Amino acid sequence: DTAVSQTPKYLVTQMGNDKSIKCEQNLGHDTMYWYKQDSKKFLKIMFSYNNKELIINETVPNRFSPKSPDKAHLNLHINSLELGDSAVYFCASSPRATGTDTQYFGPGTRLTVL
Amino acid sequence: GIQVEQSPPDLILQEGANSTLRCNFSDSVNNLQWFHQNPWGQLINLFYIPSGTKQNGRLSATTVATERYSLLYISSSQTTDSGVYFCAVDNTNAGKSTFGDGTTLTVKP
Repeated sequence: DTAVSQTPKYLVTQMGNDKSIKCEQNLGHDTMYWYKQDSKKFLKIMFSYNNKELIINETVPNRFSPKSPDKAHLNLHINSLELGDSAVYFCASSPRATGTDTQYFGPGTRLTVL
Repeated sequence: GIQVEQSPPDLILQEGANSTLRCNFSDSVNNLQWFHQNPWGQLINLFYIPSGTKQNGRLSATTVATERYSLLYISSSQTTDSGVYFCAVDNTNAGKSTFGDGTTLTVKP
């Protein structure tokens, strides 16, 4: 009965590889997000989608490409991984894109680039 | 963009003590949330509180929107309260939350 789930939980890979992180929510929400938490615990929004449409696209290298096949899923694909991409990536969802709702976070994916 | 400042950055308490965490923000907001990140990394929403006061058990929060700050009160703290407390605000009407740097709380038995 997990509300927001992410796979994998841990991802260890070499520099230059391409990897994907998957996110699914079963809350019936319209809006999903990706956040990055760095080693100092600082959390920053990367993207948001509302009903499969890109709403927020922060200053993120274009090696990062989100994809939303339907409103319950938001995946993050990262090309040509770099050391600085090592972080915890959180997926979240909220009922609407208006920013007037609670956001529910997934458990996070810890990405380590060697 | 909006600035979010949380204080104190670190707090150490004995079990049973009370504490107040503060979040200041630089612009009017349509959304303010408090989160607890537990030692296992899970982010748990505590309150959605763009204005007013809410209580949930030993935790309560107050946001004074006109003065651009919010307070999180933890009473009778327990070791399970340890972790990082984040304030997140949104002034964009688009769900673009900006997080503060967090307050790291350690509750000792």
